[in-house]
Amino acid sequence: KQEVTQIPAALSVPEGENLVLNCSFTDSAIYNLQWFRQDPGKGLTSLLLIQSSQREQTSGRLNASLDKSSGRSTLYIAASQPGDSATYLCAVILPSNDYKLSFGAGTTVTVRA
Amino acid sequence: KAGVTQTPRYLIKTRGQQVTLSCSPISGHRSVSWYQQTPGQGLQFLFEYFSETQRNKGNFPGRFSGRQFSNSRSEMNVSTLELGDSALYLCASSLTGNNEQFFGPGTRLTVL
Repeated sequence: KQEVTQIPAALSVPEGENLVLNCSFTDSAIYNLQWFRQDPGKGLTSLLLIQSSQREQTSGRLNASLDKSSGRSTLYIAASQPGDSATYLCAVILPSNDYKLSFGAGTTVTVRA
Repeated sequence: KAGVTQTPRYLIKTRGQQVTLSCSPISGHRSVSWYQQTPGQGLQFLFEYFSETQRNKGNFPGRFSGRQFSNSRSEMNVSTLELGDSALYLCASSLTGNNEQFFGPGTRLTVL
């Protein structure tokens, strides 16, 4: 069974600081990994998708890396802003369990102005 | 391009009733998945449909069912509601199922 872990569960940083969010997974044979953002009471917004053959993806201030051999992904958010305050979730899809996202519990980020 | 839409956005039901939730995927997407989100259990997979066929199912009782129509729209039904069914129900669409997933705003179900 795929286990996805996100540490820390919560993070508070001053505005302007870079954010580093961690995601680890037990089964390295993933199909792809996706990072999401969720605001309170809302749906999930897709941030980045990393295919299993890729090492990283970038979009604006966001950069996500993937190391399948160690079962880790890291999401970097540069120059954080109060608007970045949200819960960030990572999820993986396994070839053996197609079409199902296995989620971590998320990291809740607060950026202080 | 319009995003994933879910209706209704909020529902209040009483124990024993049944409920039907609807999801319209992004145009061109043929895979629709459903997830339940609760504070205690996080996000849990319910089922996935592609071309009107259920391809994967999570570990939920038979009271939870779903279907997909020829236009890729999907519905999920929960019968004999229990207090523990109170949750945010999210649907996601993707092109074929293993691609990038896009989520709708969710339906907040409260069971009294």
